[in-house]
Amino acid sequence: EAQVTQNPRYLITVTGKKLTVTCSQNMNHEYMSWYRQDPGLGLRQIYYSMNVEVTDKGDVPEGYKVSRKEKRNFPLILESPSPNQTSLYFCASSRPAGARDTQYFGPGTRLTVL
Amino acid sequence: AQRVTQPEKLLSVFKGAPVELKCNYSYSGSPELFWYVQYSRQRLQLLLRHISRESIKGFTADLNKGETSFHLKKPFAQEEDSAMYYCAPPENPISSGSARQLTFGSGTQLTVLP
Repeated sequence: EAQVTQNPRYLITVTGKKLTVTCSQNMNHEYMSWYRQDPGLGLRQIYYSMNVEVTDKGDVPEGYKVSRKEKRNFPLILESPSPNQTSLYFCASSRPAGARDTQYFGPGTRLTVL
Repeated sequence: AQRVTQPEKLLSVFKGAPVELKCNYSYSGSPELFWYVQYSRQRLQLLLRHISRESIKGFTADLNKGETSFHLKKPFAQEEDSAMYYCAPPENPISSGSARQLTFGSGTQLTVLP
């Protein structure tokens, strides 16, 4: 089944403790991205990647890092999480056309930073 | 900079009433716009894209270049239409090279009342 998976689905952590949220897709998509969803602010793009080893900042990249060593994986790294990063995070992927094509979303990761 | 605006954060209609979710864009050129939907506790999924001119679940959206709008419409709302709806534009034309930043609208939470 074609899909985008994220792990973990729920995470509660404390300020400053490094964490990684994984994202994997099995559709051979080139384009992958991370979003955070906050009430009243909608969906905001954090980082995106056009292909392996090609990443770029979205609207709200501060406090986040990403890597794209393999086509299928696009982990989101929070080196020193802070409470303002408490949010619902979505990973998405699409075909080589990138943003012009349909985005396939993961199920979301609800992160709470205490 | 390119912008997509969804002026209504919340919208309530009664079952059977027509519904229109507004989306305006500021973009020169030929936009390719999408509507995504997020049902409660589910991941975002594509509802429709203007280029395909489809009608999905009774929803349609017409691109109006004169008004720079891409409003989502349904003549008779159903309770199962209650969800969060996002309008999504094409890639950011300011981005250089092949980089493509994707900016969603802030979303409209639709509630269909019985």
